[in-house]
Amino acid sequence: SQELEQSPQSLIVQEGKNLTINCTSSKTLYGLYWYKQKYGEGLIFLMMLQKGGEEKSHEKITAKLDEKKQQSSLHITASQPSHAGIYLCGADWVAAAGNKLTFGGGTRVLVKP
Amino acid sequence: DSGVTQTPKHLITATGQRVTLRCSPRSGDLSVYWYQQSLDQGLQFLIQYYNGEERAKGNILERFSAQQFPDLHSELNLSSLELGDSALYFCASSEGDRAGEKLFFGSGTQLSVL
Repeated sequence: SQELEQSPQSLIVQEGKNLTINCTSSKTLYGLYWYKQKYGEGLIFLMMLQKGGEEKSHEKITAKLDEKKQQSSLHITASQPSHAGIYLCGADWVAAAGNKLTFGGGTRVLVKP
Repeated sequence: DSGVTQTPKHLITATGQRVTLRCSPRSGDLSVYWYQQSLDQGLQFLIQYYNGEERAKGNILERFSAQQFPDLHSELNLSSLELGDSALYFCASSEGDRAGEKLFFGSGTQLSVL
C-alpha cells in the first residue's frame, strides 16, 4: 500500500551486524504492528505499538513509534541467520472501517553468515 | 502454531474453474479475515467477517465471495479463475472486531492457476 511505505525493500546484512527497517504512514495511526514472514509461510506477530513514543523490545528486536512523523522503526541488534525473512508493518488507522490491517510492501532481510 | 488452520495448503487448477479455500479460526476468535499475497501487489486485505456478518471489505473481486458459518469457520470462494489469481491466500483471526487487536495468521493456501 502506498499509504504505508516500508524502506528499504530489501537488505543484506552480515551476521552480527545491526539493521533498521522503517515504516511510514500517510494517515493517522491508531496502531502499528510488526509481523515477520518466513518465505512461503504465514505471518508471525512480533509487536504492536499504539502510543506515541512507545518502544517495545523482544529478544534482539526493538520497535519504536514516532507519533509526530507517523513512523515506526524496527531495529535488530547483532543479527543472526534466524532473523532472515520478510518483515511487514501493518497499520490500524483512526476511523478506518472495520478492524482490518493494511500492510506495507515488506522488507526482505537476508543475513549472510 | 498460530491456532488458525487453513486447507488445503496447495491448490493447482485451471483457468475458468472454481475453488473453495477453508479457514478455521483460533478457538474463541469471532473475527476472520482473508488476505491475498502476490509478488506484485503484496499483502492485500480482501474481506472481514465478525460472528457471521461481513464487517469490512477491501480489494475483493466480484468473482470472489466469502462467508462465515455458525461454527465460525470461513470459506473463500474463487470462481472463473484467471492466471492472475495465482497467489498465496491467508486467513487470519482475532478475538473481536475492535481496532488494536492482534491478528493471528494461518500458514496460507498457495493457489496456482494454470
